[in-house]
Amino acid sequence: DAKTTQPTSMDCAEGRAANLPCNHSTISGNEYVYWYRQIHSQGPQYIIHGLKNNETNEMASLIITEDRKSSTLILPHATLRDTAVYYCIVRPNYGQNFVFGPGTRLSVLP
Amino acid sequence: GAGVSQSPSNKVTEKGKDVELRCDPISGHTALYWYRQSLGQGLEFLIYFQGNSAPDKSGLPSDRFSAERTGGSVSTLTIQRTQQEDSAVYLCASSGRVEDYGYTFGSGTRLTVV
Repeated sequence: DAKTTQPTSMDCAEGRAANLPCNHSTISGNEYVYWYRQIHSQGPQYIIHGLKNNETNEMASLIITEDRKSSTLILPHATLRDTAVYYCIVRPNYGQNFVFGPGTRLSVLP
Repeated sequence: GAGVSQSPSNKVTEKGKDVELRCDPISGHTALYWYRQSLGQGLEFLIYFQGNSAPDKSGLPSDRFSAERTGGSVSTLTIQRTQQEDSAVYLCASSGRVEDYGYTFGSGTRLTVV
């Protein structure tokens, strides 16, 4: 069980912000929210993760709701190279594997 | 190297033959994971190594699949008597402190069983 729900696909215009939602209503207090993406024919790439505070790095921002039951990954200025499958994962204790669901296929359109 | 290295990048084998897939994790990473991804499908967890602990083999689909990790570094995934349904991309990942970095994946080995 992936424990997360994401839309199957989304489109975004190049240069606009891409907002990818994720529901994780059964998340536990010690579980982090991780985001990965997989560009065609490549291995998944780590993007960002967080516990309860919003996080930002050079790739994206992660907004987690106060009740932690959902989150949004924001790519502030999407480019064509951001076209990929984006995976939202909640992870139990350290030392356990990630469970990848089907993810969201983001298409950035020119 | 700086990343996770997998070899070979592509492997074509005949049904019934054994294959070995290799993964060189990032130096110093204590955790190593194997996943596979069939065409158009999501990632399927296979096995996980953490330091000197017994591996988590709960994802291995059959007893034809096995994996070793020697000296806490290089790992080999072996598939015996390959079947056509074994055709997939086999991905290896390693991690140090997951809370800091998450996983780093290799580029995978594309296995085709003919």
